[in-house]
Amino acid sequence: AQRVTQPEKLLSVFKGAPVELKCNYSYSGSPELFWYVQYSRQRLQLLLRHISRESIKGFTADLNKGETSFHLKKPFAQEEDSAMYYCALSYNAGGTSYGKLTFGQGTILTVHP
Amino acid sequence: EAGVTQFPSHSVIEKGQTVTLRCDPISGHDNLYWYRRVMGKEIKFLLHFVKESKQDESGMPNNRFLAERTGGTYSTLKVQPAELEDSGVYFCASSQAPAGYTEAFFGQGTRLTVV
Repeated sequence: AQRVTQPEKLLSVFKGAPVELKCNYSYSGSPELFWYVQYSRQRLQLLLRHISRESIKGFTADLNKGETSFHLKKPFAQEEDSAMYYCALSYNAGGTSYGKLTFGQGTILTVHP
Repeated sequence: EAGVTQFPSHSVIEKGQTVTLRCDPISGHDNLYWYRRVMGKEIKFLLHFVKESKQDESGMPNNRFLAERTGGTYSTLKVQPAELEDSGVYFCASSQAPAGYTEAFFGQGTRLTVV
């Protein structure tokens, strides 16, 4: 069965410091990986997806199939990055293509001034 | 354009009662999902509609939960009878294509408390 693990429940950094939110997954096939973010009093929204290979709000994430990881990184954290971050996985489950998202437990990132 | 809308935003009911949650997806989105986050745990998939058909209902916890999407527009999730462990935040999401291919847009969630 597929699983997403975010080992850090809480992560605190100071403004301007680099930040890395860890995500590991287990799935034997070829998954699609995502990072979703929920800012305070806002709804959950997509931050980025691995297939797009883009940088959003300064964040990047590289899919490492060897290590089954999809860590989220930003070189210089900003206070407005404080939020709950969820790593998620979708997969093609024979006849049910890429619909369901499997989420990790989430990491609360706090960026201090 | 309006986003995904969920009603009510909060609901407090007694154990054994019935509650119906509603989700209005973004217009034109054929794919609609229900998820649930129980306190302290991860967001878990409940089911996936494509138009009015249940594409995947593997996450529905038991037969006390009934989801419908008549006409392929809005969806309801009924819990009958509610139990204490049903407390949590219920999210609805919608997307044009399946969520693995494109962005899923989430509603603000319904916080259900069963006492």
